[in-house]
Amino acid sequence: NAGVTQTPKFQVLKTGQSMTLQCAQDMNHEYMSWYRQDPGMGLRLIHYSVGAGITDQGEVPNGYNVSRSTTEDFPLRLLSAAPSQTSVYFCASSYGLPRAGSSTDTQYFGPGTRLTVL
Amino acid sequence: GQNIDQPTEMTATEGAIVQINCTYQTSGFNGLFWYQQHAGEAPTFLSYNVLDGLEEKGRFSSFLSRSKGYSYLLLKELQMKDSASYLCAVRDPGDSNYQLIWGAGTKLIIKP
Repeated sequence: NAGVTQTPKFQVLKTGQSMTLQCAQDMNHEYMSWYRQDPGMGLRLIHYSVGAGITDQGEVPNGYNVSRSTTEDFPLRLLSAAPSQTSVYFCASSYGLPRAGSSTDTQYFGPGTRLTVL
Repeated sequence: GQNIDQPTEMTATEGAIVQINCTYQTSGFNGLFWYQQHAGEAPTFLSYNVLDGLEEKGRFSSFLSRSKGYSYLLLKELQMKDSASYLCAVRDPGDSNYQLIWGAGTKLIIKP
């Protein structure tokens, strides 16, 4: 199993450009999510999906779109890049949906995409 | 509000023991996770606590006290490869989807 894969590993954009960060998992996980990680801050949830065709917003969704047409893939789209979106982006997946008292929602993270917006 | 506090950085010596603390203030609680993150890499799962007490896994142990809103990660027989950031995350059922709230992480530096 490849686990969770992300492409690209590094990306530089100019303000106003759009792009899609790719994420795929081969573990048949229901739950997938996108986080951003900034220095001195905890991981912040951007969007998540509880299954194919179902997505929802997290803590910091503005400027980002997602879709989940298959169980395996969960791309993140930056609509019009801004310098504030400079960050490291992680995709994660888990077998179970988050629920009380269970560790089956242990999340497996992809290697990350380091994005710089000039 | 919801808040998770961890020390920003700690230093320890190879072969020694170190305890990394995590305190949390959330509207609810349904489990606490510890993840390890090496520089430039993805976080990887270390431990999960939902009941009070100590969970031991080899050189790593994690403790939880729900009444005090407190957890710690104990690392024994430190090795150079343990140099990493350690992230504490709490599952809060305050919203319907039990999202994780993450601390900023503790950077652990191991010296020979």
